[in-house]
Amino acid sequence: SAVISQKPSRDICQRGTSLTIQCQVDSQVTMMFWYRQQPGQSLTLIATANQGSEATYESGFVIDKFPISRPNLTFSTLTVSNMSPEDSSIYLCSVKTGGYDEQYFGPGTRLTVT
Amino acid sequence: SQKIEQNSEALNIQEGKTATLTCNYTNYSPAYLQWYRQDPGRGPVFLLLIRENEKEKRKERLKVTFDTTLKQSLFHITASQPADSATYLCAPSNTGGFKTIFGAGTRLFVKA
Repeated sequence: SAVISQKPSRDICQRGTSLTIQCQVDSQVTMMFWYRQQPGQSLTLIATANQGSEATYESGFVIDKFPISRPNLTFSTLTVSNMSPEDSSIYLCSVKTGGYDEQYFGPGTRLTVT
Repeated sequence: SQKIEQNSEALNIQEGKTATLTCNYTNYSPAYLQWYRQDPGRGPVFLLLIRENEKEKRKERLKVTFDTTLKQSLFHITASQPADSATYLCAPSNTGGFKTIFGAGTRLFVKA
């Protein structure tokens, strides 16, 4: 298993600003993912964070809006850039320990953009 | 395109009864399928994983079936308790399984 922490747990931001969310895992993991969950909706995969290379983004998400860093096997950041109210959501970090293993999720970061 | 369907309406059952949740998928052939539980304001928690060559998997009061012909998985909670009230997410994954796509989830309410 893996224990994941995220910072901040919540934030209220003004439109046009950026917020960086941190994800820390208690062990080295190969695969790390960022999801978004809008109110009442299921999880939408934003990107796969790759250690030592650029993240792989899903359709509808771009690097300029959601830049991701993954400097090592236990840490990643997601930045939500030039925020608008539509970016208000819960952002979740998730990891897998192997290609077929279950996923573990962080507690999420609740973002409100005003 | 790949599609995952779960009961969008909430499921209300009486304590002690068996809850059955359905997950249907189209346009892909997952190598395995996972079920997660999510409580309000929290990240999902893994419950069970079943592979394509397994028909059924059990863990305590939980049972999952996987019918690749019907493209369906059923998730059962026997002897349900109010503490089982949560949203349950289905997540079928393709061969390779590097990323997981989640269904919208079914909200379960167990009444005492």
